[in-house]
Amino acid sequence: NAGVTQTPKFQVLKTGQSMTLQCAQDMNHEYMSWYRQDPGMGLRLIHYSVGAGITDQGEVPNGYNVSRSTTEDFPLRLLSAAPSQTSVYFCASNAGGPEAFFGQGTRLTVV
Amino acid sequence: AQSVSQHNHHVILSEAASLELGCNYSYGGTVNLFWYVQYPGQHLQLLLKYFSGDPLVKGIKGFEAEFIKSKFSFNLRKPSVQWSDTAEYFCAVSSGTYKYIFGTGTRLKVLA
Repeated sequence: NAGVTQTPKFQVLKTGQSMTLQCAQDMNHEYMSWYRQDPGMGLRLIHYSVGAGITDQGEVPNGYNVSRSTTEDFPLRLLSAAPSQTSVYFCASNAGGPEAFFGQGTRLTVV
Repeated sequence: AQSVSQHNHHVILSEAASLELGCNYSYGGTVNLFWYVQYPGQHLQLLLKYFSGDPLVKGIKGFEAEFIKSKFSFNLRKPSVQWSDTAEYFCAVSSGTYKYIFGTGTRLKVLA
């Protein structure tokens, strides 16, 4: 049972490039979410999904897109990367209860 | 809107000292409370959680936390810290099923 798997673990992008951060869970959880972690700011919610085909914005959605075509996967897309998106990104899932399970994170640097 | 405040941004302790990290939240309804730890270079790990019942919650690695509803607090404690407890600690609140509000974190450094 792998839990929540994020790929890649590290990524360096140039300003203006696009990329997709992958998140997959094998626990059949309905709820999935993306957070970004910045020094001194804790974790902030970017987007979340309550099931396949349903997504919504969190606290800091600008510059990010998501989709949820399957229960297992919840990719996060950066269409045109900016230095302000340099951060550590965490994906989380839960089964509808209050406890979330987090992935190991993706450290993204935009130069 | 919900918010979570962690009072100490940086804490430095010697081994065997006692630890208490403050966490206050603002929300009038029923909340679920969590403490997570992040060791250097690693992902978030759940230390302990409170949903209901006994307000004194025991977690892993000798940590405990006390929920005081009247003070909107959920402070983390450990009687005797070890060098291996050096990490960043996050308090979090959830009032629903999938949205967490995190505090800004407390970096703990334990001197050997």
